[in-house]
Amino acid sequence: DAGVIQSPRHEVTEMGQEVTLRCKPISGHDYLFWYRQTMMRGLELLIYFNNNVPIDDSGMPEDRFSAKMPNASFSTLKIQPSEPRDSAVYFCASSLEGVGTNVLTFGAGSRLTVL
Amino acid sequence: DQQVKQNSPSLSVQEGRISILNCDYTNSMFDYFLWYKKYPAEGPTFLISISSIKDKNEDGRFTVFLNKSAKHLSLHIVPSQPGDSAVYFCAASGDSNYQLIWGAGTKLIIKP
Repeated sequence: DAGVIQSPRHEVTEMGQEVTLRCKPISGHDYLFWYRQTMMRGLELLIYFNNNVPIDDSGMPEDRFSAKMPNASFSTLKIQPSEPRDSAVYFCASSLEGVGTNVLTFGAGSRLTVL
Repeated sequence: DQQVKQNSPSLSVQEGRISILNCDYTNSMFDYFLWYKKYPAEGPTFLISISSIKDKNEDGRFTVFLNKSAKHLSLHIVPSQPGDSAVYFCAASGDSNYQLIWGAGTKLIIKP
């Protein structure tokens, strides 16, 4: 397996534009997580899915952020409209079961810069 | 409120010596702890974990120690190698099966 695949690796956009980040989890993993990493706040969980269903989106900053998982092999995180404070590295991760004692496998991340 | 704290932003160690990375937590409900390693431009990768029923777990050059009474855990790397230079994150989980609480990370630099 190629691991968790994220695209794009880098995105530079202007304030107000729509941004879509993509993730392909490891095949067979039932859980998918979206994280954001910033210098100020470290790693923050934004949302997670179990069997394609969003379970907890309490970490999503505001209504400008939305995430979908239309099938077991694909998820998107959308920001519309984007703002400079959204600049961060966004990680997708997947796991076989819930976090508990299970290990998360992370993608390489998508570095977003909003000008 | 930081439930998981890594108080050293960075640590520099000579190659071949022992590296000790520390992590403190405040929530007594945490029952599983993990260390992840992160290289630049990559995602974090799992390194080693420990359950709260143990006080030590060893995997090759890596050993994690847990002191529940002090709410403290540490990661020992012996001997340290140049490839160990990375950012190390401590993470904890407890009563929920999805929420990993992360520390801010410690940047380890191994000097040749």
